[in-house]
Amino acid sequence: GAVVSQHPSRVICKSGTSVKIECRSLDFQATTMFWYRQFPKQSLMLMATSNEGSKATYEQGVEKDKFLINHASLTLSTLTVTSAHPEDSSFYICSAYPASRGEGDTQYFGPGTRLTVL
Amino acid sequence: DQQVKQNSPSLSVQEGRISILNCDYTNSMFDYFLWYKKYPAEGPTFLISISSIKDKNEDGRFTVFLNKSAKHLSLHIVPSQPGDSAVYFCAASRNTGTASKLTFGTGTRLQVTL
Repeated sequence: GAVVSQHPSRVICKSGTSVKIECRSLDFQATTMFWYRQFPKQSLMLMATSNEGSKATYEQGVEKDKFLINHASLTLSTLTVTSAHPEDSSFYICSAYPASRGEGDTQYFGPGTRLTVL
Repeated sequence: DQQVKQNSPSLSVQEGRISILNCDYTNSMFDYFLWYKKYPAEGPTFLISISSIKDKNEDGRFTVFLNKSAKHLSLHIVPSQPGDSAVYFCAASRNTGTASKLTFGTGTRLQVTL
């Protein structure tokens, strides 16, 4: 099956620092990846759509200068939380869409990254 | 504006019985619906999906029903097993021909008891 990995799984950082989260599709190519954020006991909220070789598309209310997304290859997208603050503490999840599979709109999710900003 | 709603935050079902999880949506442009299962500190795992041109899709113990006129879908799990205990999210998308964005519901925590 389609496997998506994320690294790191957990990160704790000081306020003001930047944190990079990697999302990789391990056994398929993904021209499109999505980044979500989930606060405790809430739904997954889409932050941005990451397209290989082009700029990411951000959802309303998401600061593109704060959440930098790079999709440099067909198997890797990165999310950098710049100048992190405690309110950025959350569970960040990526998903990848294997368009070549032809199985409809099925995204495969990574295991998530727990970010804690002190 | 919560376009996809799961009004039951939790559900407890006895092992072997049927679990029914419900989901309502407001956006009539949605034409593809999915159910995901999620454990704490893990990413969602795809379970089953249904296109708006169908009203039922079945895969093993999982069946999804779609009532377009009511903008309602449900996931039936039968028989329920303890390993089914998790949070279930329904999600909806508009098939735009490219990778479509998913709008998630708020989730229902299912507890299957012995």
